[in-house]
Amino acid sequence: DSGVTQTPKHLITATGQRVTLRCSPRSGDLSVYWYQQSLDQGLQFLIHYYNGEERAKGNILERFSAQQFPDLHSELNLSSLELGDSALYFCASSVGWRGADGYTFGSGTRLTVV
Amino acid sequence: DQQVKQNSPSLSVQEGRISILNCDYTNSMFDYFLWYKKYPAEGPTFLISISSIKDKNEDGRFTVFLNKSAKHLSLHIVPSQPGDSAVYFCARYSGGGADGLTFGKGTHLIIQP
Repeated sequence: DSGVTQTPKHLITATGQRVTLRCSPRSGDLSVYWYQQSLDQGLQFLIHYYNGEERAKGNILERFSAQQFPDLHSELNLSSLELGDSALYFCASSVGWRGADGYTFGSGTRLTVV
Repeated sequence: DQQVKQNSPSLSVQEGRISILNCDYTNSMFDYFLWYKKYPAEGPTFLISISSIKDKNEDGRFTVFLNKSAKHLSLHIVPSQPGDSAVYFCARYSGGGADGLTFGKGTHLIIQP
């Protein structure tokens, strides 16, 4: 157990729907990062929050949004889902905001869009 | 465009021998490079990192070498153990506004008994 908790572990939904993925960081970690891993693209950085504030955006679609709450848990909202959004979504956390120090990843949410 | 490329999708090594995993990169200014290991059904686990001002960093059985002139880094695992069988990702952190890690597509290391 890495200490980073992601729920749900698996999610199957239809095209056009909206889903919310949840992440609880390790105790004491202030940063939350979201990554998408698809078969052809590998791990892609989506967005980073630090202590409740958005710090950086990567390859995140406009249909996707995220937030970090006062208790530091984070949610990734995916809307108007398409077949191509099927992927593993990982959350990671770290104490600081510098990615150079390494993150701790959760075990991921596998999203299947049918 | 700052990329990292792992050109070997898989690598098979005998237990007890050295495993060498390779990664090439483009357009580095002042970056950090990291290696992660991933088992099936788990998230990636951070292994070791190196700053671009260094040539080598060592942690137990794991050593990362950085060849800046060739824009190449490698991860050496000595000796290789069965538990090392996993997918290994190299990643770079460029800092500044580019806050996330850029990952390679991974190399599947298989340790043969």
